[in-house]
Parts: sequence; structure tokens; C-alpha cells
Amino acid sequence: GDSVTQKQGQVTLSEDDFLFINCTYSTTTYPTLFWYVQYPGQGPQLLLKVTTANNKGISRGFEATYDKGTTSFHLQKASVQESDSAVYFCALVASSGSWQLIFGSGTQLTVMP
Amino acid sequence: EAAVTQSPRNKVAVTGGKVTLSCNQTNNHNNMYWYRQDTGHGLRLIHYSYGAGSTEKGDIPDGYKASRPSQENFSLILELATPSQTSVYFCASGDRTGENTLYFGAGTRLSVL
Repeated sequence: GDSVTQKQGQVTLSEDDFLFINCTYSTTTYPTLFWYVQYPGQGPQLLLKVTTANNKGISRGFEATYDKGTTSFHLQKASVQESDSAVYFCALVASSGSWQLIFGSGTQLTVMP
Repeated sequence: EAAVTQSPRNKVAVTGGKVTLSCNQTNNHNNMYWYRQDTGHGLRLIHYSYGAGSTEKGDIPDGYKASRPSQENFSLILELATPSQTSVYFCASGDRTGENTLYFGAGTRLSVL
């Protein structure tokens, strides 16, 4: 079945550091991939989306590129701020055609001032 | 602005008791979802619905029922609550286009004692 793997449970950085969060996936179809962000006390919200048509998504300074060869979908940001502290989820659309999203286990990002 | 409202925001229940979590959306989306969030597991799908009168089992449906009486409302029911169901529950809505973007509520924190 479809799956999404985020091995980094927690990442701690200082302001202006470079962010890289790893995500790999497994599916039988050409995937549509998402990054969702969850701020404290809130539900997840869409950060960016990538399809096989565009291969890259950019939003609010974050960037993600889809690599079919390595089945990876990493999230990057050149310079993080304290306000970026949140949980980041990688997700993909299920191949079953049921409009479900399969989520990774999430990466807690803490940015120190 | 898309809006998904969950109630209650916090709930303490006793083992063996009945718990109902409610969700209302004003997005006019056909699809609605119930996820639970636990550390190390990310977001796991419990039940979902394609429209009024429809409910489908997600990945972890055991011990939960769902009800979709109208386009706007989707409930999650724990008939006999157990401590293992202590978690944060999120409701989401989404449309049936290829966008697959989900809009989440703020969550319900449930403690079963």
C-alpha cells in the first residue's frame, strides 16, 4: 500500500539556518505530494503541493522538489525564523482513488532565536 | 475563507462511556475526514465520508463509528471509550477535484480515564 516516511522526528536550528526535512514515499501511481504545517494549538494547514506536472512547489520561502528516481520529496528553506517553529507533515494522495491523504509521522521543527 | 469547526475542544471521558465528537464545515465540500494524531504516528485516518448519509472506514476504524447526517456535519462516535483512545482528533473537509487539499479544524483533545 501507499506510505510516507519521515525519519527526522525533531529538528532544532538557530535563526537564519538552512532547513532540510527529508521525506520518502511509496506508491503505485504518479503521486501528488503535499507538505502540511501545524502550528501549536492549530490543525494542519497546507504549505505547498507538488504534482508530476510541475515537480516543484514554492510557498512562503519554503521549497519542495519531487524526485521520482529516489521517490523523495524534501522540504527546504534557505533561512528559518523563530516563527517557522511547527510540525511539518509530508503527505501523498492515496492511489486507491478515494481522495484520501496518507501522512508521514511529522517532523517537529524548533527554531531558536 | 474555508472553515471547519470542531466541538468540544477538550473532553475528559470515563472508560466505558460514550463520546461524540462533532464537526461542522462551511466549505460546501463533499468529503469529510476524521484523523487522530499521536506522537510518532502522525495523522491516521479513522473514518471518512463522501457526502450526506455516507461513511467509509479508514485505516484504524476499530472502536469508532461515524455519522454524516448532512453536508455540513460529520460526527465521530466512541460507543465504549477506552484509555487507548486518548488522543487529539482532527476533522477535515476536502472537495472532489484533483486538488485534494484538506482543510482541518483546530482539533479535539480527548482524555479517557
